[in-house]
Amino acid sequence: KNEVEQSPQNLTAQEGEFITINCSYSVGISALHWLQQHPGGGIVSLFMLSSGKKKHGRLIATINIQEKHSSLHITASHPRDSAVYICAVTPNTGNQFYFGTGTSLTVIP
Amino acid sequence: KAGVTQTPRYLIKTRGQQVTLSCSPISGHRSVSWYQQTPGQGLQFLFEYFSETQRNKGNFPGRFSGRQFSNSRSEMNVSTLELGDSALYLCASSPDGGGGYGYTFGSGTRLTVV
Repeated sequence: KNEVEQSPQNLTAQEGEFITINCSYSVGISALHWLQQHPGGGIVSLFMLSSGKKKHGRLIATINIQEKHSSLHITASHPRDSAVYICAVTPNTGNQFYFGTGTSLTVIP
Repeated sequence: KAGVTQTPRYLIKTRGQQVTLSCSPISGHRSVSWYQQTPGQGLQFLFEYFSETQRNKGNFPGRFSGRQFSNSRSEMNVSTLELGDSALYLCASSPDGGGGYGYTFGSGTRLTVV
C-alpha cells in the first residue's frame, strides 16, 4: 500500500507547454513537499506546503487538504526542467517522509 | 551557508563487508534523516535522528543502523553488505524534523556492492 500516489509516471512535453503533475496521499500530514531530482542524484526541495498555493518563478504548487491532493504546475516549460519530480509527505504521526514514485519529465526543444 | 555534506560520494564494496556513510547537516539543524533510493523501490525512509536519539525508523533490517553525534553529524552503517544494498543513500537535515521548516538534502553517497 502506497501512502503517496503520483501521476503520470512519465511525461514528455514540448518546450513552452504547461505541465501538471498530480499527487494524492492517504495519511494525515503536517506538510507536503515537492522535490526535484536531476540525473546524478542530487535532490532539491522545491516547495513545502501545508495549505493553499505557492509560486516560485514558473513553478506553482497547490494543495487541497480536504481532498488529500496536490498539484505541481510548470508554466512555459523548458528543457532544463527535465528531471524527476517527487511528491513526499510528512505524516502528522511521525518525523519522516513517505515518497511518491516520482514523475519523470522530459521537455523537448 | 554550507549545505548538507555527505561523504564519500562514491563507494564500491564487496558482499559481506560493512560500510559507514557520513552526513554533516546544516549548522544549527538538529534533525538528520536517511533515505535509500533504488531503481526498483524508489526512495525509502531509513531512520531519523534528533539530538542524538533515533526518533523514527523505517522498515529495514537490523543490518542498517545509524547514530548521531553531539554536533549533529550523523553516520549510517550497513553490515554484511548484500548486492541489493547497492543504492543511492541520501541524508536530509532540518531544524526540527517535524515538517515545519523544510528539509535540505545532501548530494548522496552512491554505494555499489559487488
